[in-house]
Amino acid sequence: AQSVAQPEDQVNVAEGNPLTVKCTYSVSGNPYLFWYVQYPNRGLQFLLKYITGDNLVKGSYGFEAEFNKSQTSFHLKKPSALVSDSALYFCAVGPSNDYKLSFGAGTTVTVRA
Amino acid sequence: DSGVTQTPKHLITATGQRVTLRCSPRSGDLSVYWYQQSLDQGLQFLIQYYNGEERAKGNILERFSAQQFPDLHSELNLSSLELGDSALYFCASSASGENNNEQFFGPGTRLTVL
Repeated sequence: AQSVAQPEDQVNVAEGNPLTVKCTYSVSGNPYLFWYVQYPNRGLQFLLKYITGDNLVKGSYGFEAEFNKSQTSFHLKKPSALVSDSALYFCAVGPSNDYKLSFGAGTTVTVRA
Repeated sequence: DSGVTQTPKHLITATGQRVTLRCSPRSGDLSVYWYQQSLDQGLQFLIQYYNGEERAKGNILERFSAQQFPDLHSELNLSSLELGDSALYFCASSASGENNNEQFFGPGTRLTVL
């Protein structure tokens, strides 16, 4: 069985400060890892993914994430947060030998001006 | 705009009724996924189709069924509706349906069961 944990329901940061959204996972075999963002009344939008290769993955809107195999983590980061980054963020994991993705419960990010 | 369309946007119905949600994937995408998003359950994977065939099944109730048609659009049928079925239902599509493909989500159908 596979699972994703996003330990923080909410993250609050000031604009211009670094933003980190945490994610840990459990999966059999090699993981495929994703981050998605959901704005109010919208569907999820893909931000970035880790499939293989470099542990540091760069994605849309200045976001990046680091795959850490030993800690089974895939934290999302942005060096300087914007008010427009305020949204609900989902981490997702799927095994390389199956088709199902499991999503975390989501973390609400609020960036104050 | 992801290129995935879903109809209707909103649906209000009564307990015991049956509804059909429709999804058109992005042009060229062969795989369609259905998800249910509710406050208490979060985002739950229901089912995946690839080129007309069921590929993976998640937490889909027996009262729910889906299919993907030859033109690749998909329908999710929900029957004997209960109050707890009230949720946002998302459709997503991807190119090949493999787990290493990102999924593109539609805007969702908000179902309210009264």
